Amino acid sequence: EAQVTQNPRYLITVTGKKLTVTCSQNMNHEYMSWYRQDPGLGLRQIYYSMNVEVTDKGDVPEGYKVSRKEKRNFPLILESPSPNQTSLYFCASSLTGFGMNTEAFFGQGTRLTVV
Amino acid sequence: EDQVTQSPEALRLQEGESSSLNCSYTVSGLRGLFWYRQDPGKGPEFLFTLYSAGEEKEKERLKATLTKKESFLHITAPKPEDSATYLCAVPPQGGSNYKLTFGKGTLLTVNP
Repeated sequence: EAQVTQNPRYLITVTGKKLTVTCSQNMNHEYMSWYRQDPGLGLRQIYYSMNVEVTDKGDVPEGYKVSRKEKRNFPLILESPSPNQTSLYFCASSLTGFGMNTEAFFGQGTRLTVV
Repeated sequence: EDQVTQSPEALRLQEGESSSLNCSYTVSGLRGLFWYRQDPGKGPEFLFTLYSAGEEKEKERLKATLTKKESFLHITAPKPEDSATYLCAVPPQGGSNYKLTFGKGTLLTVNP
């Protein structure tokens, strides 16, 4: 089954404690991206990756890092989480790029709370 | 500056009561408009892509249409299982293929 898998689904952490949210896709997609979703603000892109070792900033990259060492994985790293990073996070992938004639597949989401 | 605006923010319907959701966009040189459905606590799920004015696509009780300035998602005789947040999205101006700009969504509730 084609899918994007995120882990963990829920996470409560304390300010400043480094964490990683993993994302893996089994569709051999080149493009992957991270979004956060906040009430009243909608989905906003954090980082994206066009292929292995190729990443770039989205609209709200501050406080986040990513890496793409393998095609299937695209982890999101919060080096020093702060309460304003409390949000619902989604990983997405697409075969030929978002906005092209292919659909984007989204993971099931990670609800992060930073206290 | 918002490039995608959805209305209404929330819509409550009775089962069988048809209606439409609106998505207006300001991006010039549209390279596709996407509709997604999002259930509570889940990731968005792709519904349709529209590329040119006048285009229509249908899936069960949903029909999406596109004009030069907006798109409509028509829901005919909705059922409670159609309750969800409906999102529209466009690639941003400037030719980037690496993101979608999403509207804030319309929360649809269909009562039995």
